[in-house]
Amino acid sequence: NAGVTQTPKFRVLKTGQSMTLLCAQDMNHEYMYWYRQDPGMGLRLIHYSVGEGTTAKGEVPDGYNVSRLKKQNFLLGLESAAPSQTSVYFCASSYSPVDTSLHNEQFFGPGTRLTVL
Amino acid sequence: GQSLEQPSEVTAVEGAIVQINCTYQTSGFYGLSWYQQHDGGAPTFLSYNALDGLEETGRFSSFLSRSDSYGYLLLQELQMKDSASYFCAVIRPMDTGRRALTFGSGTRLQVQP
Repeated sequence: NAGVTQTPKFRVLKTGQSMTLLCAQDMNHEYMYWYRQDPGMGLRLIHYSVGEGTTAKGEVPDGYNVSRLKKQNFLLGLESAAPSQTSVYFCASSYSPVDTSLHNEQFFGPGTRLTVL
Repeated sequence: GQSLEQPSEVTAVEGAIVQINCTYQTSGFYGLSWYQQHDGGAPTFLSYNALDGLEETGRFSSFLSRSDSYGYLLLQELQMKDSASYFCAVIRPMDTGRRALTFGSGTRLQVQP
């Protein structure tokens, strides 16, 4: 099992460009999440999905869009990149919701380091 | 609003015990999780406390007191490989009604020989 994979690992964009980050998981998890992590800070939730075809906003959704057309994939889009979106982006998945006692741990991908100039 | 407080850095020696505290203030609370992250790596799950008390998993233990809005992660028999950042995360309701993790800023643990 590959677990959670993210594509690409690194990317440099110019202000105004668009891009899509791809997350894939092979654990048959219902729940998937996109976070961003800035230097010296914890992770902040951008968007999440509780199942195929459903998405919802997290803490910092502005400037991002997501889609979950297939259960195993969760895409994060930046329509018009801004320097404030320079960050490391982590995708995660879990079998159960965060507030259940069993199997609620989130499995994280290796991250995508994005720089917007 | 939401806030989580944890020390920014902790230093300890190999073989020792270290405690990383986390205090939180949140509207709605369903549990506290801990994650470990090595430099340049992905966060990995360590523990989850929904109820008051101590949860033990090998050398790591996590404690929660809901009445004090406080928890801690206890690492015993420290090893060099434990040098990493440790994040507490509260489980709280979002505007959508669903529940999600809100992470603290992390505690960087340095284990010295």
